[in-house]
Amino acid sequence: QKEVEQNSGPLSVPEGAIASLNCTYSDRGSQSFFWYRQYSGKSPELIMFIYSNGDKEDGRFTAQLNKASQYVSLLIRDSQPSDSATYLCAVRTRNAGNMLTFGGGTRLMVKP
Amino acid sequence: DTAVSQTPKYLVTQMGNDKSIKCEQNLGHDTMYWYKQDSKKFLKIMFSYNNKELIINETVPNRFSPKSPDKAHLNLHINSLELGDSAVYFCASEDRTRTYEQYFGPGTRLTVT
Repeated sequence: QKEVEQNSGPLSVPEGAIASLNCTYSDRGSQSFFWYRQYSGKSPELIMFIYSNGDKEDGRFTAQLNKASQYVSLLIRDSQPSDSATYLCAVRTRNAGNMLTFGGGTRLMVKP
Repeated sequence: DTAVSQTPKYLVTQMGNDKSIKCEQNLGHDTMYWYKQDSKKFLKIMFSYNNKELIINETVPNRFSPKSPDKAHLNLHINSLELGDSAVYFCASEDRTRTYEQYFGPGTRLTVT
C-alpha cells in the first residue's frame, strides 16, 4: 500500500462547478498535510496546508482533514479553466523522518 | 528575485557521462531537498540537507552525490549517467521556523540518451 494515495484522474469538471480532490494516507502519526498545484512543465506550488481536523478555507479553496479516516481533500469552488493542473497531496510523516511524502497527483481538467 | 533557482533548466547528455545540477535559494531557509519526478509524475525525495549537513538520504544509487557548500546552495552531482536517470529533478527549500512549507525550484529536465 502506498503511503499517500490519490486517484490519478483525469477529473473533468465544467467551468463554475466544484472540483473535489481526495487523498488518503497510511501513517496515523502524520502531522501536517499540504496541497500543491503543478502545471504541466512547471514546478509544484503550494496552495494550502492544514494541520487540524476540519475545514480550512482560502478564497476558492477549502482543505478538509479527517484524521480518524486518514483522509484529506481539496475543494475548488467556481472552477476555472486556469485551475486545470495536477494537484499533489503531500503528508508529513514521522515514520518517514518527518519529511514530506507525495501522492501521485490528480489531474484536473476544467472545461469551459 | 527568484526564491529557489536551478541551473541548467535542460540537460541532455549521453550514458556514462558525469553531470551536475546547481541549486540556490535566497529565502534564508536552513533545509533544502532534492526530488526526482519521473514520467508518471511521482515526486520522490532523494536527499535532504539541514544547515549544510545531510539528514535524509533515501535509497538512491551512490552515483548520486549531493554537496552543500553553504546553507543557501545544494548541488547534485551524478556519475556514470544511465537511461533510467532521465527525469525532472527539483530542488526545494523548506521553512522550518513556522509552517514547514516547501518552495520548489523550476526543475531541471535531464535526458540521458
